[in-house]
Amino acid sequence: AQSVTQPDIHITVSEGASLELRCNYSYGATPYLFWYVQSPGQGLQLLLKYFSGDTLVQGIKGFEAEFKRSQSSFNLRKPSVHWSDAAEYFCAVGIFGNEKLTFGTGTRLTIIP
Amino acid sequence: DAGVIQSPRHEVTEMGQEVTLRCKPISGHDYLFWYRQTMMRGLELLIYFNNNVPIDDSGMPEDRFSAKMPNASFSTLKIQPSEPRDSAVYFCASSLAPSHVFSPNEQFFGPGTRLTVL
Repeated sequence: AQSVTQPDIHITVSEGASLELRCNYSYGATPYLFWYVQSPGQGLQLLLKYFSGDTLVQGIKGFEAEFKRSQSSFNLRKPSVHWSDAAEYFCAVGIFGNEKLTFGTGTRLTIIP
Repeated sequence: DAGVIQSPRHEVTEMGQEVTLRCKPISGHDYLFWYRQTMMRGLELLIYFNNNVPIDDSGMPEDRFSAKMPNASFSTLKIQPSEPRDSAVYFCASSLAPSHVFSPNEQFFGPGTRLTVL
């Protein structure tokens, strides 16, 4: 079965600094990968997704993620964070032939002035 | 589009009571998912439907939980009897049939129902 690991439970960065959130997956074939963001008291919103093709994926709100098959990773990046980026971020994996997604445990992002 | 609608947003009940959570998916979406989110276990898929038919209920924790989708615009998740360990945020999500054959599609989440069982 597929699985997702987000090794960082909580990350704090200064406003304007760069950001990288880690995501590692386990699956024997090419996965479908997603990053979602959850603001306090809200549901999850899709930031970006990878299905195939270019391994660098652009998303909303200035986020991007890079699929690295050799490292089984799909890390989320942003060159300069804003206070409004404070939220919880979830990586998820889907597999061929199935609508189910398996979510990681999330990384909480705190932004300091 | 109003997005996925869930009601109530907050529910406080006593142990042993029946709880019913409601969800209206985005119009035209083919799939509906129920998730539970807790600090300890993260986001867990409970059950999902395709065209109103339950496809996978392997995540439903026990017989106290049941879900129905009588039509394309409405689904319920019922807990009877409720227990304190059921306290969590319950999310409903919906999605279109995938544009790529056999690939999962983006899921749109509702705002969630925060359930507290005393």
